[in-house]
Amino acid sequence: SAVISQKPSRDICQRGTSLTIQCQVDSQVTMMFWYRQQPGQSLTLIATANQGSEATYESGFVIDKFPISRPNLTFSTLTVSNMSPEDSSIYLCSVDSGVGNQPQHFGDGTRLSIL
Amino acid sequence: QKEVEQNSGPLSVPEGAIASLNCTYSDRGSQSFFWYRQYSGKSPELIMSIYSNGDKEDGRFTAQLNKASQYVSLLIRDSQPSDSATYLCAVNIGGSNDYKLSFGAGTTVTVRA
Repeated sequence: SAVISQKPSRDICQRGTSLTIQCQVDSQVTMMFWYRQQPGQSLTLIATANQGSEATYESGFVIDKFPISRPNLTFSTLTVSNMSPEDSSIYLCSVDSGVGNQPQHFGDGTRLSIL
Repeated sequence: QKEVEQNSGPLSVPEGAIASLNCTYSDRGSQSFFWYRQYSGKSPELIMSIYSNGDKEDGRFTAQLNKASQYVSLLIRDSQPSDSATYLCAVNIGGSNDYKLSFGAGTTVTVRA
């Protein structure tokens, strides 16, 4: 499976600021996904990022809060904007083969704490 | 109704025993089912995929799928302390051409030495 690198691995930020998380894959992939995992909770899909098109956001997530870029087939960024303590979570990037029915594989995640 | 529900746990089993994890899902069109293992402080790691009714075995892990009952399970045989983790059931939603996964809340397993 693809090797997925996320940066930063963790950060502590002040409320009201923004942070951009990077996800780099060692091979070209069609689909990239961004998830949030709040403390003690399961994974919630934020959005799906396809190269060359706007990201598709899930209910409850909006582009102004979580802008996403997908400039090529190996890279994506997620920005968490105007952060509040409620944004303290693990943010995970995942990829699959782009064909239906295939599993997703995850990066190591970004652990974000907002003071 | 949640899309994917798991037995809530936590589940504590003695070393060498069988751990049984259950998952039900609501979308009858789902075609793909996955089990992920997540160690504390780590990201989810795929351990099993299953697509057809019946059993699928991989080492000490057996996944069971029953689409009519909308039920998928994971058995861990000869449980080891290294199996102590949270296990996440994931189901594709929207049919065979849909790439989105819905995750259950997870079941935390502790294997007692």
